[in-house]
Amino acid sequence: EPEVTQTPSHQVTQMGQEVILRCVPISNHLYFYWYRQILGQKVEFLVSFYNNEISEKSEIFDDQFSVERPDGSNFTLKIRSTKLEDSAMYFCASTSDRGYYEQYFGPGTRLTVT
Amino acid sequence: EDQVTQSPEALRLQEGESSSLNCSYTVSGLRGLFWYRQDPGKGPEFLFTLYSAGEEKEKERLKATLTKKESFLHITAPKPEDSATYLCAAHSGTYKYIFGTGTRLKVLA
Repeated sequence: EPEVTQTPSHQVTQMGQEVILRCVPISNHLYFYWYRQILGQKVEFLVSFYNNEISEKSEIFDDQFSVERPDGSNFTLKIRSTKLEDSAMYFCASTSDRGYYEQYFGPGTRLTVT
Repeated sequence: EDQVTQSPEALRLQEGESSSLNCSYTVSGLRGLFWYRQDPGKGPEFLFTLYSAGEEKEKERLKATLTKKESFLHITAPKPEDSATYLCAAHSGTYKYIFGTGTRLKVLA
């Protein structure tokens, strides 16, 4: 069964450092998403991406964040200068169509900023 | 402001004891209401999407329903393996996905 994969599973970084979280969406999907979940809190939408551009983003997704689809399979989230409050689980998801079909989530990357 | 509220926060059931989880939403231009299951340390697993009031969907022991203000996830004769956190999310007219805080379900054998 096709699945979304994410690497690394756990990333530890120092405050101020740049991190790149990687995702491989399901191969025939067209829409890609990043979410985050701070420990014990709700899942929060960050950004959606279609046709090589951002289609929607939340207030959380500020200039410190960027997304990219560098090739035909990977989808990345970059945080330029990490803050302590960026510590969270980051989930990638993909869907075959915009919101009207099920989103498949990856297993997540736990980001710890020290 | 768009909002999704789930209740109860936690629920303990005996195996076979049916119950319902509630998801109330205040969202402008609802485009879809989603239910997910999340196990500890894992990503949400898609269960259902509902698009319009009156719609119902079923999968094994789960049934989701939708009204203009809320959605219910009915669990019939639950088993211990149904223990998880159940998340509700709304896709709003502003194209944002808004999640509730979830209901932690524990089914006791």
